[in-house]
Amino acid sequence: EPEVTQTPSHQVTQMGQEVILRCVPISNHLYFYWYRQILGQKVEFLVSFYNNEISEKSEIFDDQFSVERPDGSNFTLKIRSTKLEDSAMYFCASRGRNSGTGELFFGEGSRLTVL
Amino acid sequence: GNSVTQMEGPVTLSEEAFLTINCTYTATGYPSLFWYVQYPGEGLQLLLKATKADDKGSNKGFEATYRKETTSFHLEKGSVQVSDSAVYFCALSDPTSGTYKYIFGTGTRLKVLA
Repeated sequence: EPEVTQTPSHQVTQMGQEVILRCVPISNHLYFYWYRQILGQKVEFLVSFYNNEISEKSEIFDDQFSVERPDGSNFTLKIRSTKLEDSAMYFCASRGRNSGTGELFFGEGSRLTVL
Repeated sequence: GNSVTQMEGPVTLSEEAFLTINCTYTATGYPSLFWYVQYPGEGLQLLLKATKADDKGSNKGFEATYRKETTSFHLEKGSVQVSDSAVYFCALSDPTSGTYKYIFGTGTRLKVLA
């Protein structure tokens, strides 16, 4: 069964460092998303991406964040200068064109720890 | 705006007890509704879904019915097992958002004791 894959599964970084989280969405999907879950809290929407541009972003997604689809398969989330409060689990998700239900398929997540 | 409200956890039950986790939503239009489960240290797994009023989603003994009149999507299971211990998230697919982004509830932690 097709799945969304994310790397790394866990990354530890120093405050102020740049981090890139990678996602490989399901191959024929066209809509891509990043969500964040701070430990023990709710899952929060960060950004959606379609047709090589951001289609919607939340207040959390400030200038420190960027997304990119550098090739036909990867979808990345970059945090330019990490802060302690960026420590969280980051989930990538994708959706197919004809998903009338709007169902998203999630990856296993990338845990980011900022020290 | 659109929102999802879940009952506060944690919920602690004995094995074979009946489970209900309440979920209500606020949305304009007709959202699709989902329950996701997150086992310790793992990602989000789709448990069940319903796309229109009166639909019943079911999976692994869990059920939830899309009730438009009460704007609810309560999760139920007749007999829980220790292996059901996890965090359960109710979510809706925002119909007013052209991106179909999900809005999640806060999650309800379930602990089942042997």
